[in-house]
Amino acid sequence: NAGVMQNPRHLVRRRGQEARLRCSPMKGHSHVYWYRQLPEEGLKFMVYLQKENIIDESGMPKERFSAEFPKEGPSILRIQQVVRGDSAAYFCASSPQGGAYTIYFGEGSWLTVV
Amino acid sequence: KNEVEQSPQNLTAQEGEFITINCSYSVGISALHWLQQHPGGGIVSLFMLSSGKKKHGRLIATINIQEKHSSLHITASHPRDSAVYICAVSPDDKIIFGKGTRLHILP
Repeated sequence: NAGVMQNPRHLVRRRGQEARLRCSPMKGHSHVYWYRQLPEEGLKFMVYLQKENIIDESGMPKERFSAEFPKEGPSILRIQQVVRGDSAAYFCASSPQGGAYTIYFGEGSWLTVV
Repeated sequence: KNEVEQSPQNLTAQEGEFITINCSYSVGISALHWLQQHPGGGIVSLFMLSSGKKKHGRLIATINIQEKHSSLHITASHPRDSAVYICAVSPDDKIIFGKGTRLHILP
């Protein structure tokens, strides 16, 4: 009965490299959310996906960031050409049918850009 | 103005005290969530409310839909309750978070 699984838990990238963060939602959940938490700040919404569809990406930076949730496999948050300001904790959450249902969070992926 | 406002931002109390954390929101919602984030970062869902009141152990959550306000109460607080408590609302399928209340319970 695995919960929301995120990997890697910790990732170090040099400026200009790419970072890929993965999220496997709970079994039976087709709704995935990605959030970013900067040091000493609250959670900020990035993107909301259902299987094969991006529903709301209003919180995603316009450049370098992309997300997908394919029919098979985990959801992936991809950050190209990382900069120091991308250093943050990235949390994934899933729910069976959206925000009116209990949401379950992964443990987070900590990205450090050096 | 943020759509979700929490108060207080920080709270320090002695073990055993009754704790109240407040959340006000400005949008129509289908549900409100209370979350707990411990040092080290893991986030746990405590409650999901759409009306009334829920209780789980020493935790009680209430919501007043007309006033757009919710409270989280902790009875007989304990140092292990020290964490950040986050209020989040769902106006639709998106979820909007408050900035959190950092609670520190002293032994």
